[in-house]
Order: sequence, then structure tokens, then C-alpha cells
Amino acid sequence: KAGVTQTPRYLIKTRGQQVTLSCSPISGHRSVSWYQQTPGQGLQFLFEYFSETQRNKGNFPGRFSGRQFSNSRSEMNVSTLELGDSALYLCASSLDAGRYNEQFFGPGTRLTVL
Amino acid sequence: KNEVEQSPQNLTAQEGEFITINCSYSVGISALHWLQQHPGGGIVSLFMLSSGKKKHGRLIATINIQEKHSSLHITASHPRDSAVYICAVRYNTDKLIFGTGTRLQVFP
Repeated sequence: KAGVTQTPRYLIKTRGQQVTLSCSPISGHRSVSWYQQTPGQGLQFLFEYFSETQRNKGNFPGRFSGRQFSNSRSEMNVSTLELGDSALYLCASSLDAGRYNEQFFGPGTRLTVL
Repeated sequence: KNEVEQSPQNLTAQEGEFITINCSYSVGISALHWLQQHPGGGIVSLFMLSSGKKKHGRLIATINIQEKHSSLHITASHPRDSAVYICAVRYNTDKLIFGTGTRLQVFP
């Protein structure tokens, strides 16, 4: 079975631009979660989607948004980019939603904002 | 204050040594995860546990619910074990809260 894939792997943007990142979960997995990792804040939860619905959201501004499609693929969007948005963005998929489901992580998208 | 505390922050060891990484959390949780992150950035889920002990190869994870504490042990450590090990917990909100990680370097 193919693992979680994320595209693109690397991205360079300038302040004020917007960006869309994509995540394809493991086949059959219905839940996708997004995380941001920075040297200063470590790993932080962004949001979780299950069956095209946002199930949970972390403490991030409204510039961060996401969605999930009927095939479980997910996208996250960051508008009006700031320097502090430079980070590794990871998505993880699990078979189902809920606390007892193991998560499988993708390789991440490294976003640099100049 | 981080709700998930890991210790030590950095750890160096000689090949073959027994290694322990600790994780403490503040309130009752539904599940605890141990993750491994290599320098390239990719994260691998090592264990998910809500009670007791799990073993996979040279890795052992334990959790003490009463003491709100978990340990990750690596027996017979090897240079390929060099990575950042991250503890993450799920509280009632189902969101994963991450520790700051333990950077392990194993030298031959």
C-alpha cells in the first residue's frame, strides 16, 4: 500500500502570497490531520478532517484553512503569508477518526516565506 | 508551560547502550503516541498506547496512567536509532498535543 503523499515537497513564497498544500492519504483512510512544525514552537495541530467535515481545529488564525474531498484527499491553504509561516507542514492519515486511531505521517511540505 | 514534558532534551549514547526517554503529561489522556523523526523530516509512528506496555523489536514503550508518565526504551542502541523522539498525547478534545522532543545521537 502506498503511504501518505504530500505535494509539493518544497515551496518558496513571498509575504502576502497564498499557498495551497495537498495531501493524499493511505488508500482506505478517511481521516486526515494537518500539523505545523517550526523550530520555535515544535509540532502543533492545525486541523482534522473526516468525511469531508472539519472535526477539530487548532489555535491558528483564520488565514489557515483546509478542506477534504470525497476521495479523502485534503488540501490546506494559507492566505496572506507571513514570515512566521515558514515551517514544515505535515499531514497524517488514519483509518478512522477518534482517539484510538494510529496516524501515518507523510514526508511533509517545507514552506519558506521570504 | 507545555502540557507534555519530555526528558532529556538531548541524549548521546555509545552503540549498544540501553536508552530511556521519558514523557510526562498533566491530566488524564485517552492515548499516548511515540513518534520518531529523522533529519529529513519524515515522522514514523512507533507506538500508540493507552495502558501497559508494548514492544517492537528493540523498542519498548510503557505507560503508567496513575503517575501520568510514559517511557520509551531502546535496547542495544545503534547509530541508525539517531533521531528525534517525540511524545504526543490525546486529551479529551482528541487533538494531539506534542512534547518538544528528545534528540538522540548514538555513536559507533
